[in-house]
Amino acid sequence: DAGITQSPRYKITETGRQVTLMCHQTWSHSYMFWYRQDLGHGLRLIYYSAAADITDKGEVPDGYVVSRSKTENFPLTLESATRSQTSVYFCASSELAGGPISYEQYFGPGTRLTVT
Amino acid sequence: DQQVKQNSPSLSVQEGRISILNCDYTNSMFDYFLWYKKYPAEGPTFLISISSIKDKNEDGRFTVFLNKSAKHLSLHIVPSQPGDSAVYFCAASRGGATNKLIFGTGTLLAVQP
Repeated sequence: DAGITQSPRYKITETGRQVTLMCHQTWSHSYMFWYRQDLGHGLRLIYYSAAADITDKGEVPDGYVVSRSKTENFPLTLESATRSQTSVYFCASSELAGGPISYEQYFGPGTRLTVT
Repeated sequence: DQQVKQNSPSLSVQEGRISILNCDYTNSMFDYFLWYKKYPAEGPTFLISISSIKDKNEDGRFTVFLNKSAKHLSLHIVPSQPGDSAVYFCAASRGGATNKLIFGTGTLLAVQP
């Protein structure tokens, strides 16, 4: 499918477990982002990547790990899940920086993660 | 420190009337602003944007106004339709090479038939 996809769409896991959320985009966008959406906080940036093998922290990176070995994939791993990481996670992508169009991010459908 | 603020968590409007969603920001270095729309169980979708060198941008029923001196932007939807019912996020960028956006907390718009 063209666009940006996330898997799984729903996940329930236990405290202390490792869980990986997948993100795949077919546009060959350079930039990819991970956000979490929580009531009262809007969308907060966890990590972002400017290209394969280039990643950087966002606003709320603690407890998360990312990697980007291929341009099209940007997995997010919770190494030891905690209840505070219960949230809806969105992946997004955008074109290479260089003008207004690069600010427009395209979002996946989200993954609803529950940590019990 | 919330750099982008949407102080109204919700807004209810009658179909056919104008919807006005507001957003305030604190960082004068922001140079590009965007509005996103989000339906339940879907990802946000880009709606409209404005550069800091402009004070108005219009796209069909949607108009965004920017008041730099007040650090305030607003989204006007005229006329409002039931399908416009969604959460609206404003976002801001400082430009540069990171493409990062800072989002507000969102406003839930309900358009009543």
